[in-house]
Amino acid sequence: GAVVSQHPSRVICKSGTSVKIECRSLDFQATTMFWYRQFPKQSLMLMATSNEGSKATYEQGVEKDKFLINHASLTLSTLTVTSAHPEDSSFYICSALAGGDRGTGELFFGEGSRLTVL
Amino acid sequence: LAKTTQPISMDSYEGQEVNITCSHNNIATNDYITWYQQFPSQGPRFIIQGYKTKVTNEVASLFIPADRKSSTLSLPRVSLSDTAVYYCLVVPRGAGNNRKLIWGLGTSLAVNP
Repeated sequence: GAVVSQHPSRVICKSGTSVKIECRSLDFQATTMFWYRQFPKQSLMLMATSNEGSKATYEQGVEKDKFLINHASLTLSTLTVTSAHPEDSSFYICSALAGGDRGTGELFFGEGSRLTVL
Repeated sequence: LAKTTQPISMDSYEGQEVNITCSHNNIATNDYITWYQQFPSQGPRFIIQGYKTKVTNEVASLFIPADRKSSTLSLPRVSLSDTAVYYCLVVPRGAGNNRKLIWGLGTSLAVNP
């Protein structure tokens, strides 16, 4: 099974609503998770770095109040797109850094979440 | 962070060997070379990682010359299911959680029947 699981895989919402995407590390503890956004035929763009128990670090140009990140446990990080608009429609991908008891330092990616805002 | 350069696209046929070369002229001493595969509407999947010389696993081989300024991903006998985008990244090891990766456009491989 997948080492990192994202949910939901697809979501359609109305403009102005908020959408929460979950990213879970299934068999390891992840003190650090990363959130990416990918538009069609483009590469992955890092949005923010999520650290367990502390505030996320956002990349330049990413609105922290629009893309809320919570990393409350060592196995779960959530990305909430607040007041979503059609231009927020994209493919959102999380990745988790395996540390802790695994200690491999390897990155694992979730399956991605396709957000469509109508 | 080292920048990578790779061909935008490649075409191949089933059963052929495919070699995708990536340039990373500014690679640092503690950087590893990592390749990912991505299918449409899926997250990237790790293929192989290496530091120098040659690495082989059940999926691919990775050739890295002595100067480490380039690397070649070799996919033996590709099939239609190998049609995907392949990304070459330079990943710093150690240094705690410094895992911000710079993703290029990757190489879009099309395997034809």
